[in-house]
Amino acid sequence: DTAVSQTPKYLVTQMGNDKSIKCEQNLGHDTMYWYKQDSKKFLKIMFSYNNKELIINETVPNRFSPKSPDKAHLNLHINSLELGDSAVYFCASSQELRDEQYFGPGTRLTVT
Amino acid sequence: GENVEQHPSTLSVQEGDSAVIKCTYSDSASNYFPWYKQELGKGPQLIIDIRSNVGEKKDQRIAVTLNKTAKHFSLHITETQPEDSAVYFCETGTYKYIFGTGTRLKVLA
Repeated sequence: DTAVSQTPKYLVTQMGNDKSIKCEQNLGHDTMYWYKQDSKKFLKIMFSYNNKELIINETVPNRFSPKSPDKAHLNLHINSLELGDSAVYFCASSQELRDEQYFGPGTRLTVT
Repeated sequence: GENVEQHPSTLSVQEGDSAVIKCTYSDSASNYFPWYKQELGKGPQLIIDIRSNVGEKKDQRIAVTLNKTAKHFSLHITETQPEDSAVYFCETGTYKYIFGTGTRLKVLA
């Protein structure tokens, strides 16, 4: 059974479109995260939710909006996509803050 | 601001040799220091972690050492094998989760 899953795995879209990435974890963890990994492999945290509450909101354009309908899901919605949004987006979860994180397989977003 | 510096950016070793990767951090309140391994096309996976009340931790061929005074921690891999080839990331921070810039390790058979 996959611990942290993301859909879709690949997403190709045009500038200006709106898209969503879904994440689900079946580990019973309380905390979930979204990370962005750029073409140089730099990993940067975007958001963190703990018990469905937003804990960390890094300097991310407000075109990015996370939503946590329940503790097992954390979705990422992106409005008005730009070329610079092209990256691999990883979802992760941990039992609590500052604990081991389990990463999903990633979603490769390409904006043309 | 808080930052984490990771060196080297690339490392090539012969199979069976040891590899060492070092990270230096700025947040003196950091108390959790994990290392992640990322294979091609996959998400990062935790391989070892240490908390600030411990100076060293080992798990078979992998070890992490922490020097809180100097604010650096290192990953040590002994008897390297080709399957150790991957990108390795350190991470730390208190309220911010800051990853190092990554080290691409190549183990040459």
